Amino acid sequence: ILNVEQSPQSLHVQEGDSTNFTCSFPSSNFYALHWYRWETAKSPEALFVMTLNGDEKKKGRISATLNTKEGYSYLYIKGSQPEDSATYLCAFYNGNTGKLIFGQGTTLQV
Amino acid sequence: EADIYQTPRYLVIGTGKKITLECSQTMGHDKMYWYQQDPGMELHLIHYSYGVNSTEKGDLSSESTVSRIRTEHFPLTLESARPSHTSQYLCASSDRGNTEAFFGQGTRLTVV
Repeated sequence: ILNVEQSPQSLHVQEGDSTNFTCSFPSSNFYALHWYRWETAKSPEALFVMTLNGDEKKKGRISATLNTKEGYSYLYIKGSQPEDSATYLCAFYNGNTGKLIFGQGTTLQV
Repeated sequence: EADIYQTPRYLVIGTGKKITLECSQTMGHDKMYWYQQDPGMELHLIHYSYGVNSTEKGDLSSESTVSRIRTEHFPLTLESARPSHTSQYLCASSDRGNTEAFFGQGTRLTVV
């Protein structure tokens, strides 16, 4: 993997459903993996920043896991609510270049 | 609340004009970034900075230039605007790579 890739591109779920998204990133020069939430007409806001292989973070109904060896992270939303509707972005921080590179995002509609 | 500001929020300008998009942060962050986003597309890194007097090009080639004379200020300049520069430009800053980035409200640029 040379770029940051997210799947699916978009998702439509019913209120109360649990869902998850995937972020794939390069396994070399890893320094940190960020997750952001971007609501329409607002700026992206950070959900999590993860640095260690096996990291798990949780904020309310949203959680994330990290596997740096295979280059992927999952974001989980439990019991989706209409206010969870947004685009979820992951970003890979390259420790060698200092670049913060974003994936194309997953747009969730509840 | 993030203390990072971009001006103007919206700008419509004629072809050939020189423009500067302003980005300022009051958090004392060393790292600053400029991203370009076309409608429905992803955020593309066009410039970034490690600190004062440091500027680097991002992954997306851009005709714009940046400067970092002061920690808090990271302006982006287009010497001669063209319709292909029409896009949204987002500025962000962070303390380090393993801390969250804070984003400005963005500048929506239209070149006619």
